[in-house]
Amino acid sequence: QVQLVQSGAELKKPGAPVRVSCKASGYTFTAYYIHWVRQAPGQGLEWMGFINPNSGGTKYVQKFQGRVTMTRDTSVSTAYMELDTLRSDDTAVFYCARAGGGYTFFDFWGQGTLVTVSS
Amino acid sequence: SYVLTQPPSVSVAPGQTARLTCGGNNIGIKSVHWYQQKPGQAPVLVVYDDSDRPSGIPERFSGSKSGNTATLTISRVEAGDEADYYCQVWDSRSDHYVFGTGTKVTVL
Repeated sequence: QVQLVQSGAELKKPGAPVRVSCKASGYTFTAYYIHWVRQAPGQGLEWMGFINPNSGGTKYVQKFQGRVTMTRDTSVSTAYMELDTLRSDDTAVFYCARAGGGYTFFDFWGQGTLVTVSS
Repeated sequence: SYVLTQPPSVSVAPGQTARLTCGGNNIGIKSVHWYQQKPGQAPVLVVYDDSDRPSGIPERFSGSKSGNTATLTISRVEAGDEADYYCQVWDSRSDHYVFGTGTKVTVL
């Protein structure tokens, strides 16, 4: 069965970077894009961008451009999202999600990783 | 940027029908997808491509679209349907994925 398993919760100081991993199993990792979605406490879902695991190509939302880097390691079927220069308002749950079928929706999601930014 | 608007909350009695709306400019030409998110959990896809259901999603969940509004209908509502629901589209103009503002469904 398809599974996306994310790394554990992180506590970071302002200005530090964070890297969240997303390990895929149960399907061919390079056949489906991996997207990242942010959800601040009590707020809605915010799309951040995606990576094509086959080519490594990426697309980021302008808001995160320059601060976010999405990468992958096909040898371990894992995608990574690194967010630099963290601020307190980056405190959120970060989800990875697989783009399904026609690539316009997300058919499987990771369990989420809570990133807390606090001094 | 493209905006999807949802009512903040909907309340419904058990056994009744809940209709959740999602409005957006020219939404009629876009494929609309719906997610259910229970507290502390990841979102789950419940309807894709306007009206298709993934395997394992009950038939009580159905999607439709008319004009500039998409609708998720939950028939015979159960206590376990209490959750936040988000609509989502891919905006071809910006090549961005957009989520609606979300609707909290409360089962009375």
